[in-house]
Amino acid sequence: AQSVTQLGSHVSVSEGALVLLRCNYSSSVPPYLFWYVQYPNQGLQLLLKYTSAATLVKGINGFETEFKKSETSFHLTKPSAHMSDAAEYFCAVSDPGDSSYKLIFGSGTRLLVRP
Amino acid sequence: GAVVSQHPSWVICKSGTSVKIECRSLDFQATTMFWYRQFPKQSLMLMATSNEGSKATYEQGVEKDKFLINHASLTLSTLTVTSAHPEDSSFYICSASRGGTEAFFGQGTRLTVV
Repeated sequence: AQSVTQLGSHVSVSEGALVLLRCNYSSSVPPYLFWYVQYPNQGLQLLLKYTSAATLVKGINGFETEFKKSETSFHLTKPSAHMSDAAEYFCAVSDPGDSSYKLIFGSGTRLLVRP
Repeated sequence: GAVVSQHPSWVICKSGTSVKIECRSLDFQATTMFWYRQFPKQSLMLMATSNEGSKATYEQGVEKDKFLINHASLTLSTLTVTSAHPEDSSFYICSASRGGTEAFFGQGTRLTVV
């Protein structure tokens, strides 16, 4: 069974600093990988997805991820944090062999951005 | 982009009553819809997967008689919480897929049972 682990329930950075949110997956085959952002009392917005193309994936709002198969990781990064980036971030995986593409979510990381 | 709309955004109901939440794909046909539950400061827990015209597939531990899911058309799925109790209070989120690898999420519904 697939699982995904997010390291750190809270991450705090200063505005302008590098953002690094960590996520590792556990799967016998490389899954499809996703990062979502959630603002309070709202649904999820897709930041980026990896579906077996280039290992470096650029998403919206300056976020990107590098899929590292050897480390079973796909950490989310952004070179310079903005105040508007403060939100909850979820990584998720789905099984390429499952036609429903249902998502398995990590526990989430709350990003705090200090002025 | 693909838009998914949930209604209502929030609802308060009395204990023992039932409440229905709608999930609509506004500009695409959703072959599969998913329902999630999210407790405060926690992740999303998949409740069930539904395909148009067929019975929903519930995740282990989710009471199908408690959480009735109907996917009557390619643009609408409903979740009915029957005989709601305070412990059913939560944030419910739907997502819809048009067959590819990406699912599109609704804005969520906050249910409070008093």
